[in-house]
Amino acid sequence: GESVGLHLPTLSVQEGDNSIINCAYSNSASDYFIWYKQESGKGPQFIIDIRSNMDKRQGQRVTVLLNKTVKHLSLQIAATQPGDSAVYFCAENTGGFKTIFGAGTRLFVKA
Amino acid sequence: DVKVTQSSRYLVKRTGEKVFLECVQDMDHENMFWYRQDPGLGLRLIYFSYDVKMKEKGDIPEGYSVSREKKERFSLILESASTNQTSMYLCASSLVGYNTEAFFGQGTRLTVV
Repeated sequence: GESVGLHLPTLSVQEGDNSIINCAYSNSASDYFIWYKQESGKGPQFIIDIRSNMDKRQGQRVTVLLNKTVKHLSLQIAATQPGDSAVYFCAENTGGFKTIFGAGTRLFVKA
Repeated sequence: DVKVTQSSRYLVKRTGEKVFLECVQDMDHENMFWYRQDPGLGLRLIYFSYDVKMKEKGDIPEGYSVSREKKERFSLILESASTNQTSMYLCASSLVGYNTEAFFGQGTRLTVV
């Protein structure tokens, strides 16, 4: 079935390094992608989104890359900080209100 | 800032009880959603509503129902709680239409014993 998957369930990075979180999606018709951050004890929080007519979008310290050829999405966090420690979810909209979430990647930031 | 508030952070209920989870949003959003979150499975959509008194089934509606009598409030009802409904429940809202980001509440961790 359709799914949004992640290459790694956990990622550990040194404070100050860049982080890259990857996501594979299976529905080539998906036209909208979102990254969410979920801190412990909180609901997911929107980080950045990208539409299928783009291949890159930048925010504050974050960049999302979309490669439609291989159906791959990535989130890059520059100069990772302890406050970035969280679970990160990618999500795809496959049409209408249907959003598929990945299982999540837990990011650990080592001081 | 958008605020989505879920009425309880933690709930413990007995098998067979009828359970109500309440969610209120303060940004006049048309769309509201209920998800459950289980380890390794991500978020799965239970029900959503795109207008008052309108509701649509998501991916896992069995054992649940919803109510949306007012625009700002979306309730999830477990008609007869079972242990396999022990989970984290997340409410979200978003602006009208598709392809807009969702704003989530803090979640309700429900344990059914």
